[in-house]
Amino acid sequence: EPEVTQTPSHQVTQMGQEVILRCVPISNHLYFYWYRQILGQKVEFLVSFYNNEISEKSEIFDDQFSVERPDGSNFTLKIRSTKLEDSAMYFCASNDPTGLGNEQFFGPGTRLTVL
Amino acid sequence: AQSVTQPDIHITVSEGASLELRCNYSYGATPYLFWYVQSPGQGLQLLLKYFSGDTLVQGIKGFEAEFKRSQSSFNLRKPSVHWSDAAEYFCAGPPISSGSARQLTFGSGTQLTVLP
Repeated sequence: EPEVTQTPSHQVTQMGQEVILRCVPISNHLYFYWYRQILGQKVEFLVSFYNNEISEKSEIFDDQFSVERPDGSNFTLKIRSTKLEDSAMYFCASNDPTGLGNEQFFGPGTRLTVL
Repeated sequence: AQSVTQPDIHITVSEGASLELRCNYSYGATPYLFWYVQSPGQGLQLLLKYFSGDTLVQGIKGFEAEFKRSQSSFNLRKPSVHWSDAAEYFCAGPPISSGSARQLTFGSGTQLTVLP
């Protein structure tokens, strides 16, 4: 069964450094998403991406964040200058816009630790 | 206003007992709704989903949920809990002012502890 994959599973970085989190969505999906979950809190939407552009973004997704689909398979989230409060689990998701009711398929997540 | 709310932060049940986790929604129209489970340090696994039609939906791992419009609820149930069901459970649906937005909004989660 196809699945969403994410790399790395755990990323440790120093405050102020740039990080790139990578995702490979399911191959025939067209919508891609990033969510984050700060430890002990709920899952929060960051951004959605369709047709090579951002379709929605939350207030969390400020200028330090960017997303890109550099090729036909990868979908990346870049954090330009990490802050301590960026420490969280980051989930990528994808879905097929023709699917019923917007079911989204989630990757296993990348745990980002900012020191 | 939140789209979905989970009023119970933590629930403890004994193994073999029945389980009901509450989810309330605040949409005007019939929403699509999901239940996800997250084991410690793991990703989100879809348990079941509701779009329309039959209000009782069956999911994986013996879970089911019932959509009740009169109560604005979509509670998750399992007749007999197993120790491996200990996890965090999230209810999810569209944003309250979704328009064309396709992202999910999640409840705050219910942590399930299963006693031997």
